[in-house]
Amino acid sequence: EAGVAQSPRYKIIEKRQSVAFWCNPISGHATLYWYQQILGQGPKLLIQFQNNGVVDDSQLPKDRFSAERLKGVDSTLKIQPAKLEDSAVYLCASSLGPKSSYEQYFGPGTRLTVT
Amino acid sequence: KQEVTQIPAALSVPEGENLVLNCSFTDSAIYNLQWFRQDPGKGLTSLLLIQSSQREQTSGRLNASLDKSSGRSTLYIAASQPGDSATYLCAVRPGAGNNRKLIWGLGTSLAVNP
Repeated sequence: EAGVAQSPRYKIIEKRQSVAFWCNPISGHATLYWYQQILGQGPKLLIQFQNNGVVDDSQLPKDRFSAERLKGVDSTLKIQPAKLEDSAVYLCASSLGPKSSYEQYFGPGTRLTVT
Repeated sequence: KQEVTQIPAALSVPEGENLVLNCSFTDSAIYNLQWFRQDPGKGLTSLLLIQSSQREQTSGRLNASLDKSSGRSTLYIAASQPGDSATYLCAVRPGAGNNRKLIWGLGTSLAVNP
């Protein structure tokens, strides 16, 4: 079974530029998560999708971050414009559904450096 | 409010040692607890998941225990190897139902020296 795929793996941009990350979850997984992990911290949930609907985006900085999952499969996360403090690893995870009993599976992450 | 703490923040051991990583949580009403491994700048690999009704889980040289009443979990690594060097994170699922966010510790950075 293929795991969660993310691209790109690494990205370096200058502040005020825009960037987009892509995630392909495990086939059949209805729930998709985007996390931000700053160096030395635990992951912070940015947004959770159930199929193509948003379940929780309470910690997403909506003035600069946006995410979509139009067909309920792949998802993109965009930052526009980027700030220095956005430097982090962006993790995508998926699960069969939103229940606590369903384990989350994580992708390899995208490491973003904003200079 | 559930809080998860991992001690120590960093650990350095010689190869071959058995070691224990600690994770504590403030609210014993958890659904499950999960241990992850993370290599520098990379994604998370799930190591072990313990349901609230379980006392321990084992996978190879890894053993995770759970004591809900005392709010503690330990990850035991037997016969450590340099390849075990990574950051180990624990995360707690605070309850049953839908859309319960994982609550994360800050991790323990482990270095196993040849």
